[in-house]
Amino acid sequence: DADVTQTPRNRITKTGKRIMLECSQTKGHDRMYWYRQDPGLGLRLIYYSFDVKDINKGEISDGYSVSRQAQAKFSLSLESAIPNQTALYFCATSAGQKNSPLHFGNGTRLTVT
Amino acid sequence: QKEVEQNSGPLSVPEGAIASLNCTYSDRGSQSFFWYRQYSGKSPELIMFIYSNGDKEDGRFTAQLNKASQYVSLLIRDSQPSDSATYLCAVRNAGNNRKLIWGLGTSLAVNP
Repeated sequence: DADVTQTPRNRITKTGKRIMLECSQTKGHDRMYWYRQDPGLGLRLIYYSFDVKDINKGEISDGYSVSRQAQAKFSLSLESAIPNQTALYFCATSAGQKNSPLHFGNGTRLTVT
Repeated sequence: QKEVEQNSGPLSVPEGAIASLNCTYSDRGSQSFFWYRQYSGKSPELIMFIYSNGDKEDGRFTAQLNKASQYVSLLIRDSQPSDSATYLCAVRNAGNNRKLIWGLGTSLAVNP
């Protein structure tokens, strides 16, 4: 079973719709992240959370919101989807030590038409 | 200047050869360095990390760190076609909430 689980794996939605991507983890990590990946642009950080009461904007937070419902759950919402939000989205977790790597979920491929 | 730079490739090597992937970074205060492998459409998976100057070996992989010259490299010995992927370098700074700064990746093709 995956340690970091993202749902759904694929989603096609229309412009203007609100959608939520969910992430849950069994690794016991406090830190959780949402990234998007676009060809040629690499991984870009959307939001991150260091614990349940801590939410921080990343490089590209406009048009997105997040909720940290529990230590193990971190969801990403697109309030009104637009076509340039079409991308591959990854959730990741890490422990708090400086050498702690990120562990990624399997990703959600989102298409906004 | 980008904070973490990688040659985009593609780097093409024959099966059985050594593949050498390089990464340079701009922040001298960087503390931890990570190499990830990513197959097309899949999530990045950690290969190894290094935080001390010198070499660190794990199986066919060796990470090399030179903080004075601000580069980190990944060597893959006895390259296999299954090693064909994009390799991402990530660097964690001392400040900036210790977030990871990502390179854009180097595409590696191992030819049978």
